Amino acid sequence: GENVEQHPSTLSVQEGDSAVIKCTYSDSASNYFPWYKQELGKRPQLIIDIRSNVGEKKDQRIAVTLNKTAKHFSLHITETQPEDSAVYFCAASRGQAGTALIFGKGTTLSVSS
Amino acid sequence: DAGVTQSPTHLIKTRGQHVTLRCSPISGHKSVSWYQQVLGQGPQFIFQYYEKEERGRGNFPDRFSARQFPNYSSELNVNALLLGDSALYLCASSFSQDEQYFGPGTRLTVT
Repeated sequence: GENVEQHPSTLSVQEGDSAVIKCTYSDSASNYFPWYKQELGKRPQLIIDIRSNVGEKKDQRIAVTLNKTAKHFSLHITETQPEDSAVYFCAASRGQAGTALIFGKGTTLSVSS
Repeated sequence: DAGVTQSPTHLIKTRGQHVTLRCSPISGHKSVSWYQQVLGQGPQFIFQYYEKEERGRGNFPDRFSARQFPNYSSELNVNALLLGDSALYLCASSFSQDEQYFGPGTRLTVT
């Protein structure tokens, strides 16, 4: 089955710096890759996703890149702000009925001002 | 628009007891998935239901069961609770097969 590895487990940056979180997946049939942000005590919130037919997607300060050949995908946050501090999870899925989102173990991002 | 709702918010049970958790999806969403999130880990898939039929099941024992009702709400049932079942149980709804939106979760503590 699918296995998703996520690095780093913790990341500390200064406000205004960029942050990059990387994930690898094992199932070549996976074609949907979402990123979730989870603040302490709250639900995971879908912040951006990418499908296998594109290599990059941007939404304001957030971007995701996908390398299907290498089975890598990454989350890039520019101009980080203290409110970006949270746990970020990557996930992978085949995007078909009955297939699960397989999550990485999460990255705790701390942005200090 | 109302998001995904779950009840109860918190629950404390004793080993060996049974628990039922409830989820209402976003209006118009016909698919509901259940996940277990242990502290410090990513969510783990338990079940997916679409149009009231089970479409997928994760690697969980038969003590875990679920169903989806005609109004697309769903219940997760866990029998013979173990200490290791203590976790945040998340429900996610989706319109298509991929984008999933999570509810606030039910925090289950087994003592």
